[in-house]
Amino acid sequence: DTAVSQTPKYLVTQMGNDKSIKCEQNLGHDTMYWYKQDSKKFLKIMFSYNNKELIINETVPNRFSPKSPDKAHLNLHINSLELGDSAVYFCASRTSGNNEQFFGPGTRLTVL
Amino acid sequence: AQSVTQLDSQVPVFEEAPVELRCNYSSSVSVYLFWYVQYPNQGLQLLLKYLSGSTLVKGINGFEAEFNKSQTSFHLRKPSVHISDTAEYFCAVSEQGAQKLVFGQGTRLTINP
Repeated sequence: DTAVSQTPKYLVTQMGNDKSIKCEQNLGHDTMYWYKQDSKKFLKIMFSYNNKELIINETVPNRFSPKSPDKAHLNLHINSLELGDSAVYFCASRTSGNNEQFFGPGTRLTVL
Repeated sequence: AQSVTQLDSQVPVFEEAPVELRCNYSSSVSVYLFWYVQYPNQGLQLLLKYLSGSTLVKGINGFEAEFNKSQTSFHLRKPSVHISDTAEYFCAVSEQGAQKLVFGQGTRLTINP
């Protein structure tokens, strides 16, 4: 009965590769997010989708491309991975009204 | 634009001692306020939230926070901590009607036996 799930939990890859992270929520929320958490634990919003439409697109390199096939899924594709992309990526979804967000367990990406 | 400052990056305390983690925010409009906890190698879990009404908010695991509008603060407290409270704590603010949640830098709470 996991609310927000992400796959994979760990991802180790070489520089220059392309990889995807998947997120699914079963809470019936309309809005989903991707966050990046760096080594100092700082959480930075990257993207947000509402009902499959992009509503937030922070200053993120265009190597990162989110895709929302339906409102329960939000995937993140990263092209030409760089060392600086190493981080933990969190997916979240939101209730309407007060912006309480529910987080997935995170995907730890390591670029070698 | 909204912003959040957590005044302490690390807080070490002894087991069974009280603790306060400080959070100040900046916004020109009404806000919702949240505290999240992140245990090692896990995602973020909501501890408590202030939406409206009573300024003293009680959350899970014995934590509470007080919203102080005049001081734009939302400090988190627990009267007696346990080893299991060792974690990273994040304060977050959302302006009413906004799509974004803005997080503070986090406070690492370390409980010593």
